[in-house]
Amino acid sequence: QQPVQSPQAVILREGEDAVINCSSSKALYSVHWYRQKHGEAPVFLMILLKGGEQKGHDKISASFNEKKQQSSLYLTASQLSYSGTYFCGTNYGQNFVFGPGTRLSVLP
Amino acid sequence: GAGVSQTPSNKVTEKGKYVELRCDPISGHTALYWYRQSLGQGPEFLIYFQGTGAADDSGLPNDRFFAVRPEGSVSTLKIQRTERGDSAVYLCASSPQRTGELFFGEGSRLTVL
Repeated sequence: QQPVQSPQAVILREGEDAVINCSSSKALYSVHWYRQKHGEAPVFLMILLKGGEQKGHDKISASFNEKKQQSSLYLTASQLSYSGTYFCGTNYGQNFVFGPGTRLSVLP
Repeated sequence: GAGVSQTPSNKVTEKGKYVELRCDPISGHTALYWYRQSLGQGPEFLIYFQGTGAADDSGLPNDRFFAVRPEGSVSTLKIQRTERGDSAVYLCASSPQRTGELFFGEGSRLTVL
């Protein structure tokens, strides 16, 4: 079992905004967000530990709604460097599982 | 400081052979995870170590897969009687704690011919 992400893929022009959603059928106690560029390892973006928490750095931010068992990642004024696949992840019991990913392509 | 190191970076083997993949985590990180990633898919959980013990090995697909971490640092993922379906990138990640940020290695790409 794993979290669900939507959309599966999104194509943007530089400067446009995007939202990526992550939801779970199980209770969420924390949510991580990672970005993976082609041929590279996933890189940590941020972690949200409490329901209602919002975090951000640069123009990438995220929110966590514990009651709704979901989190959203917001990319504002996207840059070419934002291209990649975004994964949410969470602890299900002892293990840490990832969603299937959202492929983001930012075009000039 | 050094990040997570995985060796080999690439391994090509024949069906039926035995393979070992090594992960050297960041010093002091007690949590260590192994994942398998196929093209276009998210990382698939295999096993989680806390210290020397496997806290959760529920993701290992069958008994051909085994992993150890004898001294609570370096871990080895062992695959017996490899099959073509085992071809994937095997990722290792470590964390200072179970709920902390995961630091990934560059992965070991396994190709079974």
